Amino acid sequence: DAKTTQPTSMDCAEGRAANLPCNHSTISGNEYVYWYRQIHSQGPQYIIHGLKNNETNEMASLIITEDRKSSTLILPHATLRDTAVYYCIVREGYQKVTFGTGTKLQVIP
Amino acid sequence: GAVVSQHPSRVICKSGTSVKIECRSLDFQATTMFWYRQFPKQSLMLMATSNEGSKATYEQGVEKDKFLINHASLTLSTLTVTSAHPEDSSFYICSATGGANTDTQYFGPGTRLTVL
Repeated sequence: DAKTTQPTSMDCAEGRAANLPCNHSTISGNEYVYWYRQIHSQGPQYIIHGLKNNETNEMASLIITEDRKSSTLILPHATLRDTAVYYCIVREGYQKVTFGTGTKLQVIP
Repeated sequence: GAVVSQHPSRVICKSGTSVKIECRSLDFQATTMFWYRQFPKQSLMLMATSNEGSKATYEQGVEKDKFLINHASLTLSTLTVTSAHPEDSSFYICSATGGANTDTQYFGPGTRLTVL
């Protein structure tokens, strides 16, 4: 069973913020929300993760709704190098990462 | 920190031969390593999970005698594809946990295997 639902694809203009949504309505109390991305022909890259609170690092911000049933990954100023497939994953700390189909983000010049 | 490397990055072999792929955690001790494969235009599929010094746990449908995994140290795991066939051609990716964010999986760059 898929634990997360993401749009298949999105476009974003270069320099603008990219907001990638993820629904995880069945998330349990101990499960974290993780985001990875995979640039073509490369291994997945860890971006950010969070449990309840919003998180920010040098790559992105993660906004988690109060009920934790959805989240949004924000790339504040998208560049062409951000074109990739973005995966939203929910898991408890010890669990293996299982990938869905993700969102294909195309950054447009 | 939390860098994972793989070697080789790409390999071409003849059908029936065996191929070994190495996965190393460069700046942390990896308590657990994972092996995935990815066919064109598909998502990553987990093949197996291995802990240092113990036998790997394989996902359903993955042949353990064909895909041999050795996790001999806290920084090295190897995947050997035995008697490779063209249908084994794929992108093989390893990942490891145990870095500063101890539960976060960090992924290697992948190995492109082509079996002729």
